[in-house]
Amino acid sequence: DAKTTQPPSMDCAEGRAANLPCNHSTISGNEYVYWYRQIHSQGPQYIIHGLKNNETNEMASLIITEDRKSSTLILPHATLRDTAVYYCIVRGATGGGNKLTFGTGTQLKVEL
Amino acid sequence: DGGITQSPKYLFRKEGQNVTLSCEQNLNHDAMYWYRQDPGQGLRLIYYSQIVNDFQKGDIAEGYSVSREKKESFPLTVTSAQKNPTAFYLCASSKSTAGTSKMNTEAFFGQGTRLTVV
Repeated sequence: DAKTTQPPSMDCAEGRAANLPCNHSTISGNEYVYWYRQIHSQGPQYIIHGLKNNETNEMASLIITEDRKSSTLILPHATLRDTAVYYCIVRGATGGGNKLTFGTGTQLKVEL
Repeated sequence: DGGITQSPKYLFRKEGQNVTLSCEQNLNHDAMYWYRQDPGQGLRLIYYSQIVNDFQKGDIAEGYSVSREKKESFPLTVTSAQKNPTAFYLCASSKSTAGTSKMNTEAFFGQGTRLTVV
């Protein structure tokens, strides 16, 4: 699986958009970008994933650059409950892609 | 309800004893995973299994063993050979990614087992 690089921490004011970047410059053509988040002492929760097109669901939007070497997770109106560690992962669609490797993530702190 | 269950939530053991952590899922997922998380750190992959009766070492498999005799179950044994067993252990499952395109292959996580070895 391709390696990802994320900033260790970010702050965001409640009600504002939180934009979390991720670099994955060695991503290969069949690898998807996945985002999870982990609230303290709980299991990680799936947020969104995509291949090359931008994606949106009820939780967030995912913007993937045209060269696919980086992506941004957008929480449009962050709340205090969005405070968590956010993990960006790339994962293949072939048999070996079942391996799911996490990095250290970005600690997002949403403040009043 | 469908989901993935880890038990127990908290576990205490004496040093030198083997201990087995339970992970059960009723999501009909082929792939299952075990991770370890230490304070302030990310998740590190211990073992994963893509199908029944098959499993592969992750990045930190030494001192651990697993079995996958049933699709629903993927127990993890922390052996006495594991030098620093005290940690938060997370189990996950997902559909196989093989041959997928847009179908959801996200992983679902249990709530974790916090193991303390004294």
